[in-house]
Amino acid sequence: EADIYQTPRYLVIGTGKKITLECSQTMGHDKMYWYQQDPGMELHLIHYSYGVNSTEKGDLSSESTVSRIRTEHFPLTLESARPSHTSQYLCATSTDDYNSPLHFGNGTRLTVT
Amino acid sequence: AQSVSQHNHHVILSEAASLELGCNYSYGGTVNLFWYVQYPGQHLQLLLKYFSGDPLVKGIKGFEAEFIKSKFSFNLRKPSVQWSDTAEYFCAVNAEAAGNKLTFGGGTRVLVKP
Repeated sequence: EADIYQTPRYLVIGTGKKITLECSQTMGHDKMYWYQQDPGMELHLIHYSYGVNSTEKGDLSSESTVSRIRTEHFPLTLESARPSHTSQYLCATSTDDYNSPLHFGNGTRLTVT
Repeated sequence: AQSVSQHNHHVILSEAASLELGCNYSYGGTVNLFWYVQYPGQHLQLLLKYFSGDPLVKGIKGFEAEFIKSKFSFNLRKPSVQWSDTAEYFCAVNAEAAGNKLTFGGGTRVLVKP
């Protein structure tokens, strides 16, 4: 059962285009995260949010931006896509508990040509 | 830099063989430890977790992991694997020293031959 929805699942786009990756959740979790994962590599945290109107940059520098206007929605935007942005982007949520596990979406696999 | 290391990138084994995947971390202080699994075409999901208490934790599908504080390790084990265990396995650490943000290892891709 999918409680975290990421769209699109796959995206191929040309250099210079603006794109928004969508992430929505139905679990009412306050905390949401974006991870970037290259094939065979570890997940890197690029953005996170602990609630509405709260966004922070993660450990890996990213040219993307995020917004959190509603609890259930945490979109990620690239103003001008480049081939170096080609990667898989994973959205996740968790409860407020300090040690609660993450719940992941299916990811968006982005290719910039 | 502080990190989470998974030393095996790829593991290939036959059904009924035993599996052990290594995970080491470099954070001091309080840590919470997780193993996540990603089956082909599916999203990442929690396999098991350790917060405190018994250092040997049992997860879903017959997996277990042992936290050895002195070795900064949290190795994953399964005595007898099945073809359906073919997946990618990620170790993750939530450490006070890292601002309580979850840090992942590089993953181990496991292929179980029928």
